[in-house]
Formats: sequence, C-alpha cells, structure tokens
Amino acid sequence: GESVGLHLPTLSVQEGDNSIINCAYSNSASDYFIWYKQESGKGPQFIIDIRSNMDKRQGQRVTVLLNKTVKHLSLQIAATQPGDSAVYFCAEIYNDMRFGAGTRLTVKP
Amino acid sequence: EAGVAQSPRYKIIEKRQSVAFWCNPISGHATLYWYQQILGQGPKLLIQFQNNGVVDDSQLPKDRFSAERLKGVDSTLKIQPAKLEDSAVYLCASSLNVLGDTQYFGPGTRLTVL
Repeated sequence: GESVGLHLPTLSVQEGDNSIINCAYSNSASDYFIWYKQESGKGPQFIIDIRSNMDKRQGQRVTVLLNKTVKHLSLQIAATQPGDSAVYFCAEIYNDMRFGAGTRLTVKP
Repeated sequence: EAGVAQSPRYKIIEKRQSVAFWCNPISGHATLYWYQQILGQGPKLLIQFQNNGVVDDSQLPKDRFSAERLKGVDSTLKIQPAKLEDSAVYLCASSLNVLGDTQYFGPGTRLTVL
C-alpha cells in the first residue's frame, strides 16, 4: 500500500549547523503535509505544514520544501540548537493522516 | 489554553487483563483521535470521532479494542483482553473540526503488557 517514508532514520549535527530532514511520500493525491517534533515522553508537536499548492513555506528557523514531481518533502532547521534534538515525523493527509517512521535528530554541542 | 489531557501516563498489566485510557481534548475541539505508537514507529490512527460520532475506525482491532465519546467531549479507549503486542504508547489528539485542521496531541499513555 502507499505509505509515507523517510530517507534517514538518524541524523547527527553540530550545534549551530543547519539540519535537513527528508521524507518521501507515495500518494500523489495527498494534498496536505505536516512536520511534527516528538521529544522523549511527549506527544508529537506541530512544527509546520504545507499544502500541495505550495512548494515552500517558512516558519521561525524552519522551512518546509515540497517537491511534488518526485514526491519529496524536507524540513530544514536553521542554526540547530540542542533543544531541537528529537524525533521528527512527516505526515501526509488525504483521507486520513499517515505518519512516517521518523528521523531521530541529535545535536552535538 | 490547556492542552490535551490523558491519564494514566503509565500502565503495566498482564496479558488477558483489561485496561482503559482516558482523554480530555482541548475545549471546543470537535474532532478527537486515538493513535497507537509502537516503539520506533510513527503513530497509527485507531479511531477518529467527530463530536460523539465515529468517522473512521477502520484500523481499530474491534475484537479487543473499543472506544467511546458519549457526550462529544471526553473519550475512553479500552482494550479487553490485552495481548503482548498491544504494548505501545496510546496518543490522543484533537482538532478544531475536520481532517486538515492542526491536530494537537496529548502526552500519551505508555502501556506495557507482560
């Protein structure tokens, strides 16, 4: 069946560097995408979303890029901080919301 | 604004026992979701309510799982009898209205079945 996936299960970056977390999706009909951050022992926290009629959206220190041609979604975090260490999930929405497996981001001081 | 509340935070039971989880969504949120998150995986939707009606329960193992939202506010999720593979974090989320609105998640209940 169609599903959301992630390219890398883990990512380690140096504090202050930029982070890029990637996600591949399979359902070309998906029209809404969300990135969530999940810290240990907590529920997922909304970071940023993007609709399929856009290819880029910026938030505070975060940018989401959507490439519908190759069905690829990425989350860019600028000036990564230790507090950004968490598991990041992308989710695609069509009839329901489906999460990928997640990428664990570790920020080294 | 208060977030989504869940209780208990942790529960340990033996297989074949019963367990219930409680969720109080954000005030005014019509839609409530229950997710199961197995360690190392993303959350998987179990059931979605719109007010007190079920919108989607296609992935709910109905032979052992049940959920209700009688007054369109609080919700309970029950497992009876529990199996070892039910060990997971059970997350409750709510959104203002329908799918497409931002979902806000509670802290989850970590269930361990021995």
